Amino acid sequence: EPEVTQTPSHQVTQMGQEVILRCVPISNHLYFYWYRQILGQKVEFLVSFYNNEISEKSEIFDDQFSVERPDGSNFTLKIRSTKLEDSAMYFCASSETQGGEKLFFGSGTQLSVL
Amino acid sequence: QQQVKQSPQSLIVQKGGISIINCAYENTAFDYFPWYQQFPGKGPALLIAIRPDVSEKKEGRFTISFNKSAKQFSLHIMDSQPGDSATYFCAASIGRGKLIFGQGTELSVKP
Repeated sequence: EPEVTQTPSHQVTQMGQEVILRCVPISNHLYFYWYRQILGQKVEFLVSFYNNEISEKSEIFDDQFSVERPDGSNFTLKIRSTKLEDSAMYFCASSETQGGEKLFFGSGTQLSVL
Repeated sequence: QQQVKQSPQSLIVQKGGISIINCAYENTAFDYFPWYQQFPGKGPALLIAIRPDVSEKKEGRFTISFNKSAKQFSLHIMDSQPGDSATYFCAASIGRGKLIFGQGTELSVKP
């Protein structure tokens, strides 16, 4: 079964450093998303992306965050200057349809900011 | 208005029993209500979903009951098995892949 692949599975960084989280969505999907889950809390929407543009973003997704599809297969989330509160599990997801039905999630990248 | 409230936070059920998880929402613009299952170390996986024009949807041992007037929906897991032990999230959406998740329910099915 096709799956969303995320790398790395764990990332440790110092506060103020830039991090890039990488994702390979399912190959025929056109809609891409980032969500995050702070330990013990619910999964939160960050951003949706289609046709090389952000479709929608949450209030969490401020100027420190950016997304990019640098080539035909990868989808990245960049955090420019990490803060302690950015520590979370970051999930990439993709879907075939714009409505966002049947989102397929990756296994996540656990980001720890020290 | 964008919140989805989920209960209980944790649930222990005997093997063969029925697991019931409830969710409530406020925003009547939500038009898609999925349930996701998450095992430790994995991302959420879509289990079953419903639209508000239907009051019930069943897939195998999993059933969603939807009450539009009460703005509530629930997941029933019949004949619960130890392999069902996981965290379950309800969610709601008005499209474009923006899911509003509930807090999650940690289900433990005892053999």
